[in-house]
Amino acid sequence: QKEVEQNSGPLSVPEGAIASLNCTYSDRVSQSFFWYRQYSGKSPELIMSIYSNGDKEDGRFTAQLNKASQYVSLLIRDSQPSDSATYLCAVYFGNEKLTFGTGTRLTIIP
Amino acid sequence: DVKVTQSSRYLVKRTGEKVFLECVQDMDHENMFWYRQDPGLGLRLIYFSYDVKMKEKGDIPEGYSVSREKKERFSLILESASTNQTSMYLCASTGQNNSPLHFGNGTRLTVT
Repeated sequence: QKEVEQNSGPLSVPEGAIASLNCTYSDRVSQSFFWYRQYSGKSPELIMSIYSNGDKEDGRFTAQLNKASQYVSLLIRDSQPSDSATYLCAVYFGNEKLTFGTGTRLTIIP
Repeated sequence: DVKVTQSSRYLVKRTGEKVFLECVQDMDHENMFWYRQDPGLGLRLIYFSYDVKMKEKGDIPEGYSVSREKKERFSLILESASTNQTSMYLCASTGQNNSPLHFGNGTRLTVT
């Protein structure tokens, strides 16, 4: 069974601090990894893609991938109240189906 | 920008009714997917399709069927709606394997 694991939270972070979200996955050969943000009652929105080991930065967001340890993380710098949402980690196992974690609920405290 | 459009934002149906959820994408994507999302269970794949008239079962296909008569349109069918099919239904598409999915706005279905 291919699995993607996330801590469900809630994770509370003060405004302006760094929020760190983690995700582990079960298949060492996975190649493609994504982070989605989902506001309550809305559909998931892609915020980061990462395909190779290391860090990838996009504005206030940094995705980190470590294939040997089978984890991918998302850092949000200078957290804003608008970052309060559920963050979904998603992994391709093989080429076909994208498998999602159950998500981490993040709350930014003003 | 990719646009994935789901026909209804909210839908209320009665137990036993046949329900059609429609999804259209405008980017000529080959791959289309139907998920349902429930609290604590995350996103679960119902069916997917890689081409016209082609379909594959996902992780929870029971009680559902799909239709893909045209490349841009992927329909989810609840043959006989039941209360345990009350959920948020999300359609998604992508142009190639290993690429991110683009989601529609979702349909909140309530079966009474």
